[in-house]
Amino acid sequence: GENVEQHPSTLSVQEGDSAVIKCTYSDSASNYFPWYKQELGKRPQLIIDIRSNVGEKKDQRIAVTLNKTAKHFSLHITETQPEDSAVYFCAASRGGSYIPTFGRGTSLIVHP
Amino acid sequence: NAGVTQTPKFRVLKTGQSMTLLCAQDMNHEYMYWYRQDPGMGLRLIHYSVGEGTTAKGEVPDGYNVSRLKKQNFLLGLESAAPSQTSVYFCASSRGLGTGELFFGEGSRLTVL
Repeated sequence: GENVEQHPSTLSVQEGDSAVIKCTYSDSASNYFPWYKQELGKRPQLIIDIRSNVGEKKDQRIAVTLNKTAKHFSLHITETQPEDSAVYFCAASRGGSYIPTFGRGTSLIVHP
Repeated sequence: NAGVTQTPKFRVLKTGQSMTLLCAQDMNHEYMYWYRQDPGMGLRLIHYSVGEGTTAKGEVPDGYNVSRLKKQNFLLGLESAAPSQTSVYFCASSRGLGTGELFFGEGSRLTVL
């Protein structure tokens, strides 16, 4: 089955810095890569996703890049703010009868 | 439109007791899932369902049973709770399987003493 590795497990940055979280996947047939944000005590919520037919997708201060050859994808957050502090999960899956597999999560801490 | 709701939100059990977690969604989604979240382990899939009357095992199914008698409801049962089942449980639903957003419930915190 699919295996998703996520790094780092903890990331501490100063407000205004950029943050990058990286994930690798094992199944070359995976074609959908979502990112979820989970604030403390809350439910995970989708913040951005990318499909295998594109290499990059942006939404204001967040972006995701995908390298299908290397089988890795990354979340980029620019101009971080304290409200970006949360646990971020990457996932990988493919259409049909396959279930998304999640990484173990990255705890992002943005210091004011 | 409530989305995905879970009950109860909190529960404390003694080893060997049984309980059922209820998940309800009002988005007419076909697919529903139960995950458990433990520190440093991410979200691990327990069981899932691709439609009313169907269920399937996920990554960590042992000790749990599920039922999907109605399309909008997905029940997770613990027949004989163990301390290793202390966790936060999340239900989720999606319109598509594999390539679509998961909508999560608020979570249910279960402690087994």
